[in-house]
Amino acid sequence: AQTVTQSQPEMSVQEAETVTLSCTYDTSESNYYLFWYKQPPSRQMILVIRQEAYKQQNATENRFSVNFQKAAKSFSLKISDSQLGDTAMYFCAFMKLAGAQKLVFGQGTRLTINP
Amino acid sequence: SQTIHQWPATLVQPVGSPLSLECTVEGTSNPNLYWYRQAAGRGLQLLFYSVGIGQISSEVPQNLSASRPQDRQFILSSKKLLLSDSGFYLCACIGKASHSGNTIYFGEGSWLTVV
Repeated sequence: AQTVTQSQPEMSVQEAETVTLSCTYDTSESNYYLFWYKQPPSRQMILVIRQEAYKQQNATENRFSVNFQKAAKSFSLKISDSQLGDTAMYFCAFMKLAGAQKLVFGQGTRLTINP
Repeated sequence: SQTIHQWPATLVQPVGSPLSLECTVEGTSNPNLYWYRQAAGRGLQLLFYSVGIGQISSEVPQNLSASRPQDRQFILSSKKLLLSDSGFYLCACIGKASHSGNTIYFGEGSWLTVV
């Protein structure tokens, strides 16, 4: 079974700073996707970024980028020029492509951006 | 793009009462559908998933059941609620025929408080 671990329950940075959220996962699968989801106080789950395991290039979406280390099974999220609206819970998630497609989530990191 | 409608948004139910949460999907056909539960301050736990009409897989033993009477409709039910059923419930979808690829999108969620 796959597991996802987020070792930072809470983080806090000043506005405009760069912050990196950590995520590690355990799997024997070779084909899978990794995701970061954002959950603001509204509780809506919002997709931040997606990484296909077969792609060596790290995914980037505007101020959000990932550092995907497949051999180390590490998938960290970097937020550049952080904004107050980035304050939220962030979840790392794993989904294998073979068989039933199910998202397995980490426990989340609560990120606070301070003015 | 896919749109997921989920209702009711909030409900307070007494112990022992029945439950019905409904989820409908627009913008895709023959989707995989999911019910997740999020306990306070914790990650998301997959409860049920469905790959087609009438096909339901349960991930954890519990007091809840799920049904899929139509292609884009997914219902979460209980005959008698327990206090431990309280939580935030999220419906999710992955559209097999969509352009989003292998990405799961979420509804707005339903807050259930059992009293």
